[in-house]
This record gives sequence, structure tokens and C-alpha cells, in this order.
Amino acid sequence: DAGITQSPRHKVTETGTPVTLRCHQTENHRYMYWYRQDPGHGLRLIHYSYGVKDTDKGEVSDGYSVSRSKTEDFLLTLESATSSQTSVYFCAISESMARSYNEQFFGPGTRLTVL
Amino acid sequence: GENVEQHPSTLSVQEGDSAVIKCTYSDSASNYFPWYKQELGKRPQLIIDIRSNVGEKKDQRIAVTLNKTAKHFSLHITETQPEDSAVYFCAASWDSNSGYALNFGKGTSLLVTP
Repeated sequence: DAGITQSPRHKVTETGTPVTLRCHQTENHRYMYWYRQDPGHGLRLIHYSYGVKDTDKGEVSDGYSVSRSKTEDFLLTLESATSSQTSVYFCAISESMARSYNEQFFGPGTRLTVL
Repeated sequence: GENVEQHPSTLSVQEGDSAVIKCTYSDSASNYFPWYKQELGKRPQLIIDIRSNVGEKKDQRIAVTLNKTAKHFSLHITETQPEDSAVYFCAASWDSNSGYALNFGKGTSLLVTP
């Protein structure tokens, strides 16, 4: 597996509390992504980053914010967690568009439960 | 935005049979189509991908076909084995300065019975 780690791997929290998930890569890849996975919905893009301090919204960005202060770390923050944000969160990375294709490598995932 | 539809949602085949999973996409600008396999409790892993300038690609027992005109692409697994049992996701994306953010189908749960 590509050098991607996510922390924590599991978290249980209460409604209304802030939560930050961390994605760390050792591949020096430019692009990083946050997806959530829910039964019956597949994987849906939350936010992505195309460089340090360069981020943009995905399909399901409401209630989430991100930050990328250095190449290797991409943080996902739930400012005030809600039960609808109970999900498995995957981080992914990819390299530049100079390649003939652009495979995304996924991290091991974080299972978040909001009570 | 891009909408990717995937069918069937579940598929059960006997070992040795073939399995076919189909996806359609809506945005004609999409030009990259990967397929991911996800085993229970694990991360998605890329198994094959195809770009829009190619109609078919094969890798051992796995093949993908793409019909740009009809906006659909399919995954074909031949001589299925029990270890092929997993959830398979198709996805579509297009070139942009912000990378290849993927739009996924909802997945197909494949069960291969001995």
C-alpha cells in the first residue's frame, strides 16, 4: 500500500463536538482527497486539495472544512458533529496530471460514530 | 455534475462463471474510468482503469470496455474465483487543474460461490 496513514482509525464522539481527522502521506503526492463511504451511497467526495493551501469543495462538503498547511498532511474537520456524519472516511492521494493516468491510492479509513 | 450509475447492486455467480458489471456516466467530459475492488473492512484498491482514447483493456482475467458514444463502461471478470468476492466500484473523472476527483457508482456486491 502507498504510504498513507489516517488517524484516528476509530472514533466515537457526541453530537455537537468538534472532530478532526488526519491524513498523512509519505509519497510527496500533490493531490489529496477526502471521501465518505455510507451503505447504499458508495464513496462521495467531501473536499480535495491540489496543493498546499489549495483546496476545494466536493459533492458533500456541508458541515466539513479542510486544511493543508504542508504537502504531507490533509486535515478534515467537523466543526460540530452530527449523527448524519457517522460514516467511514477515506483519504486518497494522487500524483500529477503529467502521467498517462492518475491512480488514486486510498488510506485505511477512519470509522467515525457520532452519538 | 457527473452522475455515475452502476448495475447490478448485487451479483451472485458460481465459481468459474463470468461476471459483468455495468456503469453509465452523464458528463461527456469524463475521460478516466477506474474500477476499484473493496474487500470487507478494507480500503478500495484499483484493479483496472481505462482512458477515453481506448475502447478496451485487459489484465489477465479482468477486462474493461468503454463506449464513449453511449457513455457506458463495463467490467468483465472471467473464470471467477471465491477470492473475487468483494464490492466493486466504478468511477469517472475528467482532467482539471485540481486533479482527478472521482465520482463513484454505488457499488456492486459480487459473491462467487464454490
